[in-house]
Amino acid sequence: DAKTTQPPSMDCAEGRAANLPCNHSTISGNEYVYWYRQIHSQGPQYIIHGLKNNETNEMASLIITEDRKSSTLILPHATLRDTAVYYCIVKGGGADGLTFGKGTHLIIQP
Amino acid sequence: SAVISQKPSRDICQRGTSLTIQCQVDSQVTMMFWYRQQPGQSLTLIATANQGSEATYESGFVIDKFPISRPNLTFSTLTVSNMSPEDSSIYLCSAGHSNTGELFFGEGSRLTVL
Repeated sequence: DAKTTQPPSMDCAEGRAANLPCNHSTISGNEYVYWYRQIHSQGPQYIIHGLKNNETNEMASLIITEDRKSSTLILPHATLRDTAVYYCIVKGGGADGLTFGKGTHLIIQP
Repeated sequence: SAVISQKPSRDICQRGTSLTIQCQVDSQVTMMFWYRQQPGQSLTLIATANQGSEATYESGFVIDKFPISRPNLTFSTLTVSNMSPEDSSIYLCSAGHSNTGELFFGEGSRLTVL
């Protein structure tokens, strides 16, 4: 699976959009980009994933660049409950487990 | 989606003893995994729990230390054997379907070894 690079931490004001970047320059054609988050003392929570098209669900939007070498997770209206560690993971299809990096610690400021 | 329940949620154990953690999923899933999260660290994959056969372990993890069972599509156990203080961690079960790639996680079992 391709490696990912994320900033270790970010701040965002409550009510603003939080944009979390991820670099995955070695991604291969059949690998998906997944985003998970882990709120303190809880198990990780799936947010969204995509292959090459932008994706949106009730939690977030995922923007993948045309060359697929980077992506951005957007939380449109961040709340204090969105404070968590966000993990960007690249993974091919199949029944393998996810490989977690260090993620980005997103802190939403009141 | 899938709801994953783990037992125990936390335990304090003595050095040299063993503890078995149970993971129950509320629906049949194709994939089940066990992770470890040491204090202040990210998650590390221990093994894939294979139904009806031996688990597939990641580098650095061995069956004698972390025996895993998965008798059916909804249940798995992880045993931490001959525990030492270095085994103090949160152990998490995850599960999902290979056709979606999305994994669900339990709340974890917090183990402290004295």
